[in-house]
Amino acid sequence: AQTVTQSQPEMSVQEAETVTLSCTYDTSENNYYLFWYKQPPSRQMILVIRQEAYKQQNATENRFSVNFQKAAKSFSLKISDSQLGDTAMYFCAFMMEYGNKLVFGAGTILRVKS
Amino acid sequence: KAGVTQTPRYLIKTRGQQVTLSCSPISGHRSVSWYQQTPGQGLQFLFEYFSETQRNKGNFPGRFSGRQFSNSRSEMNVSTLELGDSALYLCASSFSPGPGQGVDTQYFGPGTRLTVL
Repeated sequence: AQTVTQSQPEMSVQEAETVTLSCTYDTSENNYYLFWYKQPPSRQMILVIRQEAYKQQNATENRFSVNFQKAAKSFSLKISDSQLGDTAMYFCAFMMEYGNKLVFGAGTILRVKS
Repeated sequence: KAGVTQTPRYLIKTRGQQVTLSCSPISGHRSVSWYQQTPGQGLQFLFEYFSETQRNKGNFPGRFSGRQFSNSRSEMNVSTLELGDSALYLCASSFSPGPGQGVDTQYFGPGTRLTVL
C-alpha cells in the first residue's frame, strides 16, 4: 500500500520569505501522480500544484514550486515570497496511475507571520 | 464554471440515526470521490463513483454507502451513526479520462461538517 509522510507538523515563516515543506512517499509503482493541496481555516481544500512522475521537470505555479526526486521518493513544496493568505494546512497527496484515489499525508500547518 | 457543491454544510445527529450527504460535481465531471477528515485519522478515502457505479472503495464499514445518479450527482449515506463518525466529509470531482490517459485532478467541495451527539 502507498503511504505519504509529512514530517513537519507545524512551520512558520515571515511574510515575503521562502519556506519549504517536506513530503516523502512509499510506492512500488513507476507511474503515479503527486499533489499539494492547501486547506485554509475555511476548510476548503484547494489544489496548489500537481506533478506527474514521468516528467523530470519540476512543476511550478507562480510562487509555488516543487522539488521532485523520484529515486528518493521525495516531493517538497517551496513557497516563495510568502503571503499572509498562504497560512493554511498543506497536504501532500499521492495517486496511482490507475485508481482515482488520493492518499494523503498528515499535513503541515504553515503560519505566515507579518 | 461552478465548483463542487455539498449540502448540507453542517449537520448534527444523535447516535443510532442515519444521515445522507449530497455532492454536486463540476459540470462535465464524471467521477465523484468521498473522503472523511478527522483530527485523529486525517484524510481517508471512502469510495469513488463513476457512471453510477462504485469503482473504488476504502476500508470503511458497510454502514457507509453511496450512490451516483445519471447527472453525476452523488449521495453518501451513513447508517446507525456512532460518535466516531463525527468528521468533515469532503467530496471531490474529476473528469476521469479513460484507461491509459492519465488521471485528472480532483477538485474538492467545501465539505459537510457532521457532528454526532
